[in-house]
Amino acid sequence: DQQVKQNSPSLSVQEGRISILNCDYTNSMFDYFLWYKKYPAEGPTFLISISSIKDKNEDGRFTVFLNKSAKHLSLHIVPSQPGDSAVYFCAASARRLSGGSNYKLTFGKGTLLTVNP
Amino acid sequence: EAQVTQNPRYLITVTGKKLTVTCSQNMNHEYMSWYRQDPGLGLRQIYYSMNVEVTDKGDVPEGYKVSRKEKRNFPLILESPSPNQTSLYFCASSPRHNSPLHFGNGTRLTVT
Repeated sequence: DQQVKQNSPSLSVQEGRISILNCDYTNSMFDYFLWYKKYPAEGPTFLISISSIKDKNEDGRFTVFLNKSAKHLSLHIVPSQPGDSAVYFCAASARRLSGGSNYKLTFGKGTLLTVNP
Repeated sequence: EAQVTQNPRYLITVTGKKLTVTCSQNMNHEYMSWYRQDPGLGLRQIYYSMNVEVTDKGDVPEGYKVSRKEKRNFPLILESPSPNQTSLYFCASSPRHNSPLHFGNGTRLTVT
């Protein structure tokens, strides 16, 4: 049972335009969400996160939106740059539940973003 | 430079030959974890460690062992590797649990 779903395996956008990457989750206990970026032959790199008490978090060109009722989050990249071309992973955790025990991130399968010059 | 270092980056071995993948972090992080990435399955947690001498199983621990004798090191041990352990492995750490994870660059393991 896939608890974090990224239904688009790939996305292609033009440089300067907006990239929107989507993620859906099924576990209502998830309360912390993260986006990671991964280049080939490198490990995932943390990009931005959002807690369930917020519906938006912004960091420069990157904004994450959270719609709890729809169990949906999205990452917006504006403007998109060729260097943004990478695989983007959505991840979620249940921080309230983890307390003093395991902090486990549940990952989606990733979306390959290609930004064309 | 703050980093998580895994070695080796690439490894080809045969079924049953014990191997160890090392992981070291220089950020004094308490929490460390191992993940494997497989096509169509994303990243899945193998083992984690909350601190020195504290380790526990993740989602897919079968066939793996870990140890945490020092804060900086968290090796992954395959006592008797099998072909279904062919995968891309990532070590990760964070200052404490519930903080974003910092990942190493991965170890691509092939078991024939």
